[in-house]
Amino acid sequence: GAGVSQTPSNKVTEKGKYVELRCDPISGHTALYWYRQSLGQGPEFLIYFQGTGAADDSGLPNDRFFAVRPEGSVSTLKIQRTERGDSAVYLCASSPTGASENEQFFGPGTRLTVL
Amino acid sequence: LAKTTQPISMDSYEGQEVNITCSHNNIATNDYITWYQQFPSQGPRFIIQGYKTKVTNEVASLFIPADRKSSTLSLPRVSLSDTAVYYCLVVPMNTGFQKLVFGTGTRLLVSP
Repeated sequence: GAGVSQTPSNKVTEKGKYVELRCDPISGHTALYWYRQSLGQGPEFLIYFQGTGAADDSGLPNDRFFAVRPEGSVSTLKIQRTERGDSAVYLCASSPTGASENEQFFGPGTRLTVL
Repeated sequence: LAKTTQPISMDSYEGQEVNITCSHNNIATNDYITWYQQFPSQGPRFIIQGYKTKVTNEVASLFIPADRKSSTLSLPRVSLSDTAVYYCLVVPMNTGFQKLVFGTGTRLLVSP
């Protein structure tokens, strides 16, 4: 079946611009997660959605980062006034429920480069 | 969450068995040990999870001693396609949502 998909696969933008990254989770998965991965590091948690609501956004680095999931499926991560330090691979994952014992299914990521 | 420590990198050859050991000295009673694999330009992929003794699936085996302060991921007869980064995570169970905390992982390079 279809896995988690993310678009675009690559995004190059200029410092100060606004970007949106999209995630399509596995159909029927109620839990959705965003992570950020810098070169040579493991993924770092950003935010978790259960259904339409952000249940835990403790990983968002600052208020330039925002994410939505208005209908409980597709999610968009929005970054305002991008900075060079935002350059990373942004990973989305989903799981059937938010229960900790569920494995998380990851998408291929969006590579964001801020010039 | 219990901190994990694993080797930064390992080298192996095709056909050999590879064992990657992870230390988690502060593991709690309701923590499970979970391993993810990540290929270049892909997101991590769940490999195996266990609580104690031994767990085996079609991909790997996971050995956990009685004190649970460490665990060993065993990959039998590796091939070139097993070249990847392997992450050991400790995940509390039955507590609702828990964010996954990844370390830097072990970079495994399999050569011909």
